[in-house]
Amino acid sequence: QQKVQQSPESLSVPEGGMASLNCTSSDRNFQYFWWYRQHSGEGPKALMSIFSDGDKKEGRFTAHLNKASLHVSLHIRDSQPSDSALYFCAAPHNTNTGKLTFGDGTVLTVKP
Amino acid sequence: EAAVTQSPRNKVTVTGGNVTLSCRQTNSHNYMYWYRQDTGHGLRLIHYSYGAGNLQIGDVPDGYKATRTTQEDFFLLLELASPSQTSLYFCASSDSNQAPLFGEGTRLSVL
Repeated sequence: QQKVQQSPESLSVPEGGMASLNCTSSDRNFQYFWWYRQHSGEGPKALMSIFSDGDKKEGRFTAHLNKASLHVSLHIRDSQPSDSALYFCAAPHNTNTGKLTFGDGTVLTVKP
Repeated sequence: EAAVTQSPRNKVTVTGGNVTLSCRQTNSHNYMYWYRQDTGHGLRLIHYSYGAGNLQIGDVPDGYKATRTTQEDFFLLLELASPSQTSLYFCASSDSNQAPLFGEGTRLSVL
């Protein structure tokens, strides 16, 4: 059973546009989330975490968490071609181990 | 600078072959992980470790062994490789409440 589901599978936006990625968990043990980004040929790199309900902004990236619905989203404003990558949502099983469950990812393409 | 180094970066073996993937971290992290990445499945945890000599089973452990020989070194062993184990393998390290830091990956092909 997939515990972290991401949508859409792929997304294409024009340069300068807004990209919105979604993630839903089916497990209420997941109380906070990480967003990771993976460029082709590289390992995943952590973008940001969100622990509290509401918005968290870091530069062009804004994460939004709704704990009641176990839904988290990532919004990228002023998207750049360098943002083209595979984005993962991940949730920890336990705050002490760092063990993460990952979604299947969203492929973002930003077209110049 | 924090780093996780994997070797080899690419490996080809035959069905039934014996493969060892290596991972070294220089971050003084307690936790280390082995994930596999396949199209349509994201990243799936194979094994992880709390420290030297410790091993914990992940979500997809069948066909894999792992050993943590030191704080820095974590190995993934495939003793009878099968084509279903063709995948991209990532090692990662972290401390409590930190996002795991990933290596650059090892691409394994089992023919």
